[in-house]
Amino acid sequence: NAGVMQNPRHLVRRRGQEARLRCSPMKGHSHVYWYRQLPEEGLKFMVYLQKENIIDESGMPKERFSAEFPKEGPSILRIQQVVRGDSAAYFCASSPASRGETQYFGPGTRLLVL
Amino acid sequence: AQKITQTQPGMFVQEKEAVTLDCTYDTSDPSYGLFWYKQPSSGEMIFLIYQGSYDQQNATEGRYSLNFQKARKSANLVISASQLGDSAMYFCAMREGRGTASKLTFGTGTRLQVTL
Repeated sequence: NAGVMQNPRHLVRRRGQEARLRCSPMKGHSHVYWYRQLPEEGLKFMVYLQKENIIDESGMPKERFSAEFPKEGPSILRIQQVVRGDSAAYFCASSPASRGETQYFGPGTRLLVL
Repeated sequence: AQKITQTQPGMFVQEKEAVTLDCTYDTSDPSYGLFWYKQPSSGEMIFLIYQGSYDQQNATEGRYSLNFQKARKSANLVISASQLGDSAMYFCAMREGRGTASKLTFGTGTRLQVTL
């Protein structure tokens, strides 16, 4: 059973470009969460999605950031017009629909904005 | 107030010794879950152990155990027989609300170094 998959693992963007981060949850998991980890800090919640629905986006910056989890395909975290402060590790986690107890994390995407 | 507090930025332990990593939490919700994750230098987040607020017994998973003291709102992680591979960052996290899928709130982490 494959774990949570994220790609790319590393992403370099110049200021003003767009970054697209993808996450495929574990098989059988329909809940997806995105977290951001700034250097030397803990993870901060960004958004929680189920298929085709955003359930909680209380941690998402109001501008430039968006997320989706379509009926088919991976969840996408999109950052438009990136700035240097967006440089961080972005983690996706998934949990099963029937038991929301444990979230399993992907390996993360390291975004570097030049 | 911080929901999750980890007061030890760094800890050292000798190989084969036991070590306790502290975590205190703050919530008014009677239903919650507490988690510990390990983040080695390679960067991935590895789930270690879970404790539910209504669980009567302290959780154990192999060499990991959770010292859950509900009245004190603490959920310390105990690693027995430390190994060099245990050197990593360790994060305590909390989910509020029973049986519902909801966000985790993380502490700032403790960096554990296992020495020979």
